[in-house]
Amino acid sequence: EIVLTQSPGTLSLSPGERATLSCRASQSVSSTYLAWYQQKPGQAPRLLIYGASSRATGIPDRFSGSGSGADFTLTISRLEPEDFAVYYCQQLGSSLWTFGQGTKVEIK
Amino acid sequence: DVQLVESGGALVQPGGSLRLSCAASGFTFSSYWMHWVRQAPGKGLVWVSRINSDGRDTIYADSVKGRFTTSRDNAKNTLYLQMNSLRAEDMAVYYCARGSMVHAFDIWGQGTMVTVSS
Repeated sequence: EIVLTQSPGTLSLSPGERATLSCRASQSVSSTYLAWYQQKPGQAPRLLIYGASSRATGIPDRFSGSGSGADFTLTISRLEPEDFAVYYCQQLGSSLWTFGQGTKVEIK
Repeated sequence: DVQLVESGGALVQPGGSLRLSCAASGFTFSSYWMHWVRQAPGKGLVWVSRINSDGRDTIYADSVKGRFTTSRDNAKNTLYLQMNSLRAEDMAVYYCARGSMVHAFDIWGQGTMVTVSS
């Protein structure tokens, strides 16, 4: 089973700042199967990025994904108040899906 | 509107059983793979199972294999999760999610809480 490790665990930033979130896999994964989700308290997750770099429908362009192999990044170019949340990466490998443990982006 | 609505969450004793349902609307349910994902209180997301579009193929996380069964009724646009031999560590919010054509989970239900306690 591929393990996804996200860092940092918590990111303390101010609105307007840039957020860079990392997702590292225990082995190489296909970019096709790498996704990012946002979850706010009491809500279901929301798909942000699929295929490592493609934005889902309705996702603002301040969200971008990049990476390949075992290292992937989610970047939020300028944090808006509604972006403070927990972010998860996810991958599909050997017919099994796994999530990273999450990165919390909190207001500094 | 495209929507998934879970139901069936409850308080159950260790060793007990429960069946969750997920009602789909606003899209052609029979065309999509479907998933169950769970989240223990204060913890992260954990994928539980996947069922293919016609219901003939399922796959499970090791933690639930042999105890949980995922099924679907395409005529009723409904996904199910039968949970047997429940343990304390199964306590979580259970979400159903649609598997999109781009290999991600693009639609999620609001979740239903399963509490396992004596």
